[in-house]
Amino acid sequence: DAKTTQPPSMDCAEGRAANLPCNHSTISGNEYVYWYRQIHSQGPQYIIHGLKNNETNEMASLIITEDRKSSTLILPHATLRDTAVYYCIVRENSSASKIIFGSGTRLSIRP
Amino acid sequence: SAVISQKPSRDICQRGTSLTIQCQVDSQVTMMFWYRQQPGQSLTLIATANQGSEATYESGFVIDKFPISRPNLTFSTLTVSNMSPEDSSIYLCSVEGQGLLEQYFGPGTRLTVT
Repeated sequence: DAKTTQPPSMDCAEGRAANLPCNHSTISGNEYVYWYRQIHSQGPQYIIHGLKNNETNEMASLIITEDRKSSTLILPHATLRDTAVYYCIVRENSSASKIIFGSGTRLSIRP
Repeated sequence: SAVISQKPSRDICQRGTSLTIQCQVDSQVTMMFWYRQQPGQSLTLIATANQGSEATYESGFVIDKFPISRPNLTFSTLTVSNMSPEDSSIYLCSVEGQGLLEQYFGPGTRLTVT
């Protein structure tokens, strides 16, 4: 079973920041928080991951609470192309570690 | 990064038949996985394709229904056997390892069983 809880859907205005929450209260010490997204009719795409420090890359920022029981993915300037299902996943940072997908958050960007 | 291709991209098959889906990666990878995504649902892991040995199946999936091959570090196949309409799904392969930082997914194969 997935170890994360996400809202089923959200919407955001184009150009504004999209903040997607995720709860992972049972995360263990060696598990990372990963975010993927799936645009319609495509395979999932990696966005970002982190252990306990906040992370930023060209796509997004990841904010992890100090107790690591929740996190927020931030898309700083959402565009229509960011419309997708966003999956928050916890897993060990090992190539042998499986990815178990939850139901994700369907993000809609409105013009 | 890794570039993954899948063949076929889509197919319509009759019940009772079998379909083999191919997954090709442009570089050698340690791990290859197969997922199923039923209509309107999230992805479900079917199995881990092991090079040189039998695949490792997740609960609810069996080798007789979903035989998997992985002859080398860049290629794998998934066969959906004795298909029924309930097998209509998107099947995706993914790869990880050999210097990759994250798991990469193929474009998927959309299967419709009539």
